[in-house]
Amino acid sequence: KAGVTQTPRYLIKTRGQQVTLSCSPISGHRSVSWYQQTPGQGLQFLFEYFSETQRNKGNFPGRFSGRQFSNSRSEMNVSTLELGDSALYLCASSLRVNEQFFGPGTRLTVL
Amino acid sequence: SQQGEEDPQALSIQEGENATMNCSYKTSINNLQWYRQNSGRGLVHLILIRSNEREKHSGRLRVTLDTSKKSSSLLITASRAADTASYFCATETSGSRLTFGEGTQLTVNP
Repeated sequence: KAGVTQTPRYLIKTRGQQVTLSCSPISGHRSVSWYQQTPGQGLQFLFEYFSETQRNKGNFPGRFSGRQFSNSRSEMNVSTLELGDSALYLCASSLRVNEQFFGPGTRLTVL
Repeated sequence: SQQGEEDPQALSIQEGENATMNCSYKTSINNLQWYRQNSGRGLVHLILIRSNEREKHSGRLRVTLDTSKKSSSLLITASRAADTASYFCATETSGSRLTFGEGTQLTVNP
């Protein structure tokens, strides 16, 4: 069974731009969660989607948004990029609570 | 914000030695999980221990949980160079939301 895939793997943007990251969960998994990892703040929960509905949300500004499609694929969008948004963005999918499988991440650099 | 604090922040040992990492957390939990991350890559799930369990084993891994002290430890026995990675504890309090600790960087020298 294929694992969680994230595209693109690397991305360079400039301040003020927007970016969209994609996550394809493991087949059959309906829950997708997103996390941001930075050296200063560590791993922080962004949001979780289940059956196309946002089920849980972390403490991030409204510039960070997401959605989930009927095939469970998920996208997250960051608008008006700031330097501090440079991070590794990780997506995780799960079939059951307690069992999350992480993708390789998208490394976003904001210049 | 980080729920967990891990210590040590960095640990360097020789191959064959045991490595112990500790994690403390602040709120009541449903379970605690340990993950490994190789240099800037995705997280790999290692082991989960439920709040009503005190100890769990998986291969060379041994995890303990003390809910009265709100702490957990991860022991890796007979370490190998391939165990070099960052190790994170994560607590689950609601749904699929995980709160991660700051991580321990383990270096195993051949």
